[in-house]
Amino acid sequence: EAGVAQSPRYKIIEKRQSVAFWCNPISGHATLYWYQQILGQGPKLLIQFQNNGVVDDSQLPKDRFSAERLKGVDSTLKIQPAKLEDSAVYLCASSLEPGQGAIAEAFFGQGTRLTVV
Amino acid sequence: AQKVTQAQTEISVVEKEDVTLDCVYETRDTTYYLFWYKQPPSGELVFLIRRNSFDEQNEISGRYSWNFQKSTSSFNFTITASQVVDSAVYFCALFTGGFKTIFGAGTRLFVKA
Repeated sequence: EAGVAQSPRYKIIEKRQSVAFWCNPISGHATLYWYQQILGQGPKLLIQFQNNGVVDDSQLPKDRFSAERLKGVDSTLKIQPAKLEDSAVYLCASSLEPGQGAIAEAFFGQGTRLTVV
Repeated sequence: AQKVTQAQTEISVVEKEDVTLDCVYETRDTTYYLFWYKQPPSGELVFLIRRNSFDEQNEISGRYSWNFQKSTSSFNFTITASQVVDSAVYFCALFTGGFKTIFGAGTRLFVKA
């Protein structure tokens, strides 16, 4: 079974530039997550999609970050304009739609390491 | 407030030693899930275990075992006879109602040959 695919693996940009990350979840997974992981910290949820809809984006800095999930499958996360503090690894994860009273574990991609200089 | 605390930032052991990684959580929800993930140098998080709040049975899987105690809000992870390949960062995570997943800061484990 193919895992969660992310691209690019690495990206270096200057502050105030724009950047986009792409994620292809595991086939059949209805739930898709974007996490931000700053060096030395645990992942922080930025946004969660259930099929096409947004379930939680409370920690997404909406003045500069945006995300969409096309047709309930692939997703892109964009930062415009980037700041130095956006330097982090951006992880995409997917899971099966939660069943009655059960939560499925999330499967993670390898992430995109963003460096803003 | 929901919170996950992994007080041990780094642990270093010699191969074949047992090691326990601590996880303490806070939540007011009565229904929640706890997870452990491993993050090797390659970067992706690898799922290890899920436990729901109504199941306090301890679990053993090979060299891994987990001790869930609701009375102390802890979900500790023990690796028996550690190996070099166990070197990684380990994260404890809490999933609560409202679709919130909160990760701890992680514990970096070094296993020396």
